Amino acid sequence: KNQVEQSPQSLIILEGKNCTLQCNYTVSPFSNLRWYKQDTGRGPVSLTIMTFSENTKSNGRYTATLDADTKQSSLHITASQLSDSASYICVVSPLSGGYQKVTFGIGTKLQVIP
Amino acid sequence: DVKVTQSSRYLVKRTGEKVFLECVQDMDHENMFWYRQDPGLGLRLIYFSYDVKMKEKGDIPEGYSVSREKKERFSLILESASTNQTSMYLCASSDAPGQGEEQYFGPGTRLTVT
Repeated sequence: KNQVEQSPQSLIILEGKNCTLQCNYTVSPFSNLRWYKQDTGRGPVSLTIMTFSENTKSNGRYTATLDADTKQSSLHITASQLSDSASYICVVSPLSGGYQKVTFGIGTKLQVIP
Repeated sequence: DVKVTQSSRYLVKRTGEKVFLECVQDMDHENMFWYRQDPGLGLRLIYFSYDVKMKEKGDIPEGYSVSREKKERFSLILESASTNQTSMYLCASSDAPGQGEEQYFGPGTRLTVT
């Protein structure tokens, strides 16, 4: 069964500090991996997508990495802001199998405090 | 700006009631989805639709049905609500045919069944 595991489950950091969130997956064959940000009381919003051939991709203060060999991805947040407080969800899609095979991680809940 | 709207943000229903959750997207997307989100379980796919009047079961379709009579509207129906259906329900839509494309989520409906 395809699995996506995220760590840590929750994290508290001081405003201005950096942090890294992890995502390990077993989905195979792999198509792509997305990171979503979900603010409290809102639906998830896509931050970035990583395909097999990509190692690093940045979106402002967010940088995602992918190691397809070890099936690991990370999301690095630089110079955190209070507005970064949210849940971050890793979603992995296989090459085939339809939407039923798209696997969501449980998410990492990040709290940025002043 | 893409938009997915859901009919209610909060809903309280009694056990045994028939419940309708409505979702509308204004992006002319082909695909629409219903998820439920529970603490410690993440997002789980209930049903999805890739065209008008077409539907496919997701991971947890039991106790639910759906209707898609128009392209922009996708309804989730709880025929006889039960307390274990208390959850956050998220609707989403997407355009491209592959399962790795970005999904645009609505704000969610928090349903409580008493």
